[in-house]
Amino acid sequence: AQKVTQAQTEISVVEKEDVTLDCVYETRDTTYYLFWYKQPPSGELVFLIRRNSFDEQNEISGRYSWNFQKSTSSFNFTITASQVVDSAVYFCALSEAGRGADGLTFGKGTHLIIQP
Amino acid sequence: EAGVAQSPRYKIIEKRQSVAFWCNPISGHATLYWYQQILGQGPKLLIQFQNNGVVDDSQLPKDRFSAERLKGVDSTLKIQPAKLEDSAVYLCASSDDRGSTEAFFGQGTRLTVV
Repeated sequence: AQKVTQAQTEISVVEKEDVTLDCVYETRDTTYYLFWYKQPPSGELVFLIRRNSFDEQNEISGRYSWNFQKSTSSFNFTITASQVVDSAVYFCALSEAGRGADGLTFGKGTHLIIQP
Repeated sequence: EAGVAQSPRYKIIEKRQSVAFWCNPISGHATLYWYQQILGQGPKLLIQFQNNGVVDDSQLPKDRFSAERLKGVDSTLKIQPAKLEDSAVYLCASSDDRGSTEAFFGQGTRLTVV
């Protein structure tokens, strides 16, 4: 069975600090997708990134970067020079593509608080 | 492009009552998902439709929950009868393909069972 673990329940940093959100996953499939979503106080889940299991290249998008390591089953997310607007709950999720159903399995989320 | 529409935004009912939620996915999206998000937890998949067919309902409590997508467009999720532990946000999402693309989420319906 697939599982996503986000061990950090809550992280609080001061604005402009760098912060890394951890994500560890479990799956028996060799083909799968990993996602990060942001959930601001408004409640809507906002897509940030999707990575397939065959692409281990790290990705950078502005202040956001992602480190995918299959050897440790981790897909960590780093925000550089954090801003107050980054405050939200962040979810890591997994989808197994080897079968017809592909609903996301989410972690419990990390509540990120950026203090001014 | 209009996003995923859900209604109502909020609903308060007494236990043992019935309730229904509605979702209209992004136009052209064949895949539709319903998730349940209990406070403090990540969303949990309840059911997945591909057009008007059910792909996965393994985590749907079928004794009280039901869902349909009769014409392969909008969908309704029903709870009958509701229990206190059903209090949660019910999220609808859609995607234009399976797995390989992102799912777009609606704002959800917050259900409180008292």
